[in-house]
Amino acid sequence: DIVMTQSPFSLAVSEGEMVTINCKSSQSLLSSGNQKNYLAWYQQKPGQSPKLLIYYASTRQSGVPDRFIGSGSGTDFTLTISDVQAEDLADYYCLQHYSYHTFGAGTKLELK
Amino acid sequence: AVQLVESGGGLVQPKESLKISCAASGFTFSNAAMYWVRQAPGKGLEWVARIRTKPNNYATYYADSVKGRFTISRDDSKSMVYLQMDNLKTEDTAMYYCTAAVRIPMDAWGQGASVTVSS
Repeated sequence: DIVMTQSPFSLAVSEGEMVTINCKSSQSLLSSGNQKNYLAWYQQKPGQSPKLLIYYASTRQSGVPDRFIGSGSGTDFTLTISDVQAEDLADYYCLQHYSYHTFGAGTKLELK
Repeated sequence: AVQLVESGGGLVQPKESLKISCAASGFTFSNAAMYWVRQAPGKGLEWVARIRTKPNNYATYYADSVKGRFTISRDDSKSMVYLQMDNLKTEDTAMYYCTAAVRIPMDAWGQGASVTVSS
């Protein structure tokens, strides 16, 4: 089974700052067939269902602000949020769907 | 607009059964793999089950934690997906989300169905 190690567990930020959230997989998520990384990022606000932000590691879902940037390949991935806004305060999860499906443990983004 | 609406959640006792449903609309349901994901109170997300489409023989996959106890199924004629949960345990208490692969895996989510297993 693929294990997803997500860090940090929580992050306290001020509006306007940049933050990075990391996910490391126990094996490569890069498909040799289509050269896509089977890694997605989700945002979950309190009391809401998760919302897809990024898929195939770096493709932004339609309607997602361009301050959300996904990067990485193979086993190491990063979600960067530049110029954090109050509306970005939420829990963030990575998901691998290369082999079955595994979520990272989540990162809580809080206001400093 | 894509919509997923779960129903059927509730309070059950350990070892009992419960079946939750998800009604889909706004996309070609028969072309979409469907999933169930759960979230225990105050915890993270856990993938539970997946069912593929007819061309893929409706293949099903389960997390180890529910294998042998839960069954995912779908009715393409009704645009419905189901999760039959048997021999429920207290650790199955969670919000259960129905999700779809409209274009890519888990790009659409329902609002969730609450399942509580307690004596």
